[in-house]
Amino acid sequence: KAGVTQTPRYLIKTRGQQVTLSCSPISGHRSVSWYQQTPGQGLQFLFEYFSETQRNKGNFPGRFSGRQFSNSRSEMNVSTLELGDSALYLCASSFMADGTDTQYFGPGTRLTVL
Amino acid sequence: SQQGEEDPQALSIQEGENATMNCSYKTSINNLQWYRQNSGRGLVHLILIRSNEREKHSGRLRVTLDTSKKSSSLLITASRAADTASYFCASKSLDAGNNRKLIWGLGTSLAVNP
Repeated sequence: KAGVTQTPRYLIKTRGQQVTLSCSPISGHRSVSWYQQTPGQGLQFLFEYFSETQRNKGNFPGRFSGRQFSNSRSEMNVSTLELGDSALYLCASSFMADGTDTQYFGPGTRLTVL
Repeated sequence: SQQGEEDPQALSIQEGENATMNCSYKTSINNLQWYRQNSGRGLVHLILIRSNEREKHSGRLRVTLDTSKKSSSLLITASRAADTASYFCASKSLDAGNNRKLIWGLGTSLAVNP
């Protein structure tokens, strides 16, 4: 089975711009979770989608949004980028929701905001 | 604040030695998972232990769970330089809003010196 893929792998944006990141889960997985990872804050949960519905949401401002398509692929969008949004964005897929089973992570998208 | 807290934050050992890292959590859990992350990459699942289990083994890894103390430990025996990575615990538990999801710790950075 192919693993979780994320595109793009690297991205450089400037403040005020918006960005869309994409995640393709492992075939058959219906849950996709997104995380932001920074050296100071560790792994911060953004949101989880399961069968196109958002199940859980972390404590992030409304500039961060996401969606999931019928084929389970997911996108997350960050609008009005700030310097502090520079981070590694990880997506993880699993068969079941809510952390019931193993999360399979993609390699991440490294976003740099200048 | 993050529910899962790993201890120590950083650990440096010699090849061949054992490495032990601990994780504490605050609320009741369904399961607790350990993951490894090599520098700047996605996380890789190591072991999942359920709340009714006390110990699990996988190769050189041994995980214990003490629900009375709300803690878990990960032991890596006969460490190798390739074990150098950050190790995270994630517990499936209730967050502040009574939503059941994976809650992540900040990680233990392990350095194994050849």
